[in-house]
Order: sequence, then C-alpha cells, then structure tokens
Amino acid sequence: SQQGEEDPQALSIQEGENATMNCSYKTSINNLQWYRQNSGRGLVHLILIRSNEREKHSGRLRVTLDTSKKSSSLLITASRAADTASYFCFQETSGSRLTFGEGTQLTVNP
Amino acid sequence: EAGVAQSPRYKIIEKRQSVAFWCNPISGHATLYWYQQILGQGPKLLIQFQNNGVVDDSQLPKDRFSAERLKGVDSTLKIQPAKLEDSAVYLCASSLNPTGNGYTFGSGTRLTVV
Repeated sequence: SQQGEEDPQALSIQEGENATMNCSYKTSINNLQWYRQNSGRGLVHLILIRSNEREKHSGRLRVTLDTSKKSSSLLITASRAADTASYFCFQETSGSRLTFGEGTQLTVNP
Repeated sequence: EAGVAQSPRYKIIEKRQSVAFWCNPISGHATLYWYQQILGQGPKLLIQFQNNGVVDDSQLPKDRFSAERLKGVDSTLKIQPAKLEDSAVYLCASSLNPTGNGYTFGSGTRLTVV
C-alpha cells in the first residue's frame, strides 16, 4: 500500500506561532494532498500539490513538495486555536491502493 | 454544492448483529470510496467504486463486509455479522474522477459494537 508517514505524531504550539508538519512517501506520485480532521468528524481537503509543482499556497497554508526526497511539508502560519485537529497527507499514484498515514495531531493553545 | 451525506451518524449494535450504512455522494462524482477509521489511526480504504463498478476491494473483509452502488449514485456498506473489532468510524468519500482531484468526505458513521 502507498501509505504516507506524517511527522511529528503530535505537535503542541501557542496561538500565533507557525506549525510545520512533514510527510514522507515511498513511490512516485501523481499528486499529494493534505487533509484536516477535527475530532469525530470527516476529513476536509485542504490543498493538493501535483508532482510537477514545488510549492503551493492557500491562505495561511503553504505546502512544499520535494519529489527527489519523496517528502512534503505543510506549514500553517499564524496558527489559531481553531487549527487544532489531526492532519493527514495522502498520495495519489497510478494503479495503487490509496491509504492515509497515521496523521499529525496539532494542538494550538490559546 | 451539497456535501457527501452519510447516515446514520451513530450506531450501537451487539456483536453478531448486522448493520448497514448509507452514503449519497456529491452529484456527478463518479468515484466513491468507503474508509474505515479506527480510533487513533488513519483512514483505511475498504472499497472504491467507479460508477457502479468495483475498482478496488482488496482490503474489504469479504466474509463479513459487503458494499454496493447499484445505480452508480448512492452506496450502502453492510457488516454481517459484526465483531467487536469493527468498532470504528466509517467514512464515505467521493471525487469527480479517480485521480487529479481532492476527495470530499462525509461526516462518517460512528459504529460501536458491544
């Protein structure tokens, strides 16, 4: 299975600080996606970066992709308490089983 | 745009009973997925449909789990008989096509087997 691995498993920061989460994967991808999951809820699609892109922005989110290292990072700037959630990366590959990693649990303290 | 609808929101059953979950994807989304998410873990793909055909069901425990998408729109996931380890959130997601787009997830059905 094409399971990504998020790092760190847990991250606790103060409101206003930046949060950085990393994702590593094993094979070639079509694109990589980041999702957020609030406790007890479904996943919300945050941002998609294609294999030929290196960086993408969406509001306070910045995603980078390094295909040579098979890794991606998600940066949340000026974090808010409402950003507290689990964050998952997800890779789309051609013809492979699609699986999420264990996620990073982000806690933003007010 | 309406989201992915799932029902019920919660379900508690005894082991060995049967249960069914329902999903209505976003209109026009050809691809539909069922995921199982055990507490503290990431979602695990159970089955993927493209229209009303099965694309991937390799991780579906077929001795007790079944799923269908008869008209290529709504889908049901059934567990019969349920085991304690089936306690999880069952998430339905849909996408416009299999690759190149994000997935839209429903809120999930939280199943507790006692």
